[in-house]
Amino acid sequence: DGGITQSPKYLFRKEGQNVTLSCEQNLNHDAMYWYRQDPGQGLRLIYYSQIVNDFQKGDIAEGYSVSREKKESFPLTVTSAQKNPTAFYLCASSIGSGGTGELFFGEGSRLTVL
Amino acid sequence: GQNIDQPTEMTATEGAIVQINCTYQTSGFNGLFWYQQHAGEAPTFLSYNVLDGLEEKGRFSSFLSRSKGYSYLLLKELQMKDSASYLCAVRDNNFNKFYFGSGTKLNVKP
Repeated sequence: DGGITQSPKYLFRKEGQNVTLSCEQNLNHDAMYWYRQDPGQGLRLIYYSQIVNDFQKGDIAEGYSVSREKKESFPLTVTSAQKNPTAFYLCASSIGSGGTGELFFGEGSRLTVL
Repeated sequence: GQNIDQPTEMTATEGAIVQINCTYQTSGFNGLFWYQQHAGEAPTFLSYNVLDGLEEKGRFSSFLSRSKGYSYLLLKELQMKDSASYLCAVRDNNFNKFYFGSGTKLNVKP
């Protein structure tokens, strides 16, 4: 079945460590996104990519980095520079243009900094 | 800037009808989306409006007025499984960025 796979589902990190969250999609979508969700808050955009080898900062990119070397993959690295990384991270994709173009989400990765 | 407002929480009774409102002020507009999110899970797509008017999809309907920057999601014949957060999102017309409101937590009571 087509969809978006995020891993790991749960991740614990010590302060000062970098961690990478995986996001893979087999929907043949051009656009991919990373959002962060904190309790009681909406989704905030971290980074997005409209096409392979290109990506743009969202509203809260500081302390994060991404790459888009393949159409299917859009990993997110949470660096030690991110001051408050404990959150629920959601990866999404969309067809990019044409049709409804709604976002399809992965199951999410919950990161806890100890 | 982008500003999307929704009520924080609502309570309704099983079998009833509930309307969740969303107002938005965004620099660009290329569609309004509603998503359902159960606790701890990913959001799932419910509806999409790009033109003014009502879109109906089974028990769920969504309305849009672009001139007023206003949308609502209407849920009919409420079921207990409808207890979830409902997210309003606006897609801008530049790079297809999506902006989300904080979500409305709906509690359905027996």
